[in-house]
Amino acid sequence: NAGVTQTPKFQVLKTGQSMTLQCAQDMNHEYMSWYRQDPGMGLRLIHYSVGAGITDQGEVPNGYNVSRSTTEDFPLRLLSAAPSQTSVYFCASGRNYGYTFGSGTRLTVV
Amino acid sequence: TQLLEQSPQFLSIQEGENLTVYCNSSSVFSSLQWYRQEPGEGPVLLVTVVTGGEVKKLKRLTFQFGDARKDSSLHITAAQPGDTGLYLCAGEGSNNDMRFGAGTRLTVKP
Repeated sequence: NAGVTQTPKFQVLKTGQSMTLQCAQDMNHEYMSWYRQDPGMGLRLIHYSVGAGITDQGEVPNGYNVSRSTTEDFPLRLLSAAPSQTSVYFCASGRNYGYTFGSGTRLTVV
Repeated sequence: TQLLEQSPQFLSIQEGENLTVYCNSSSVFSSLQWYRQEPGEGPVLLVTVVTGGEVKKLKRLTFQFGDARKDSSLHITAAQPGDTGLYLCAGEGSNNDMRFGAGTRLTVKP
């Protein structure tokens, strides 16, 4: 089925470890973004991309890196995980007429 | 501070009642979207409004975009238990970034 695929669904990291959250879409959307969702705070924008080779920072970019080498893929990298990065992460693609979201990655940093 | 303020934060009503949730901002948006999210899943797009003063209906749901394109409302008529979920509004900012409100958590009791 067409849509946004996120992997992994669950991850536990130790403080200081690094990892990459994967996101892929097959709808040929130019626009992709990463959000984190914490209780009572809705979705906060981490990084976004308006096309291959172009990325920009959102509201809460510190501690995260992204790259966009292809239209389909938009990985999110945590260089040195911290407990404050414990959250549910969502990738989305689309634009101002509607986003399609992935099913999320639940990350716990201990 | 959220760019988009949603109210109320929580709402618990009986089946058959009507309700309205609000999404307010001091910023002007080129478009505003409403999503519904269920536990363990990503948000799902309900509607996009683009023109100031626009009203859209989706079965028992009525969405309105303010004349100045800074605020929106969602009205549900004769709520049903299946309407239970987290309702999120999102607006596209001046940098093509999509920002979300904190959400309204609706519970409809049978």
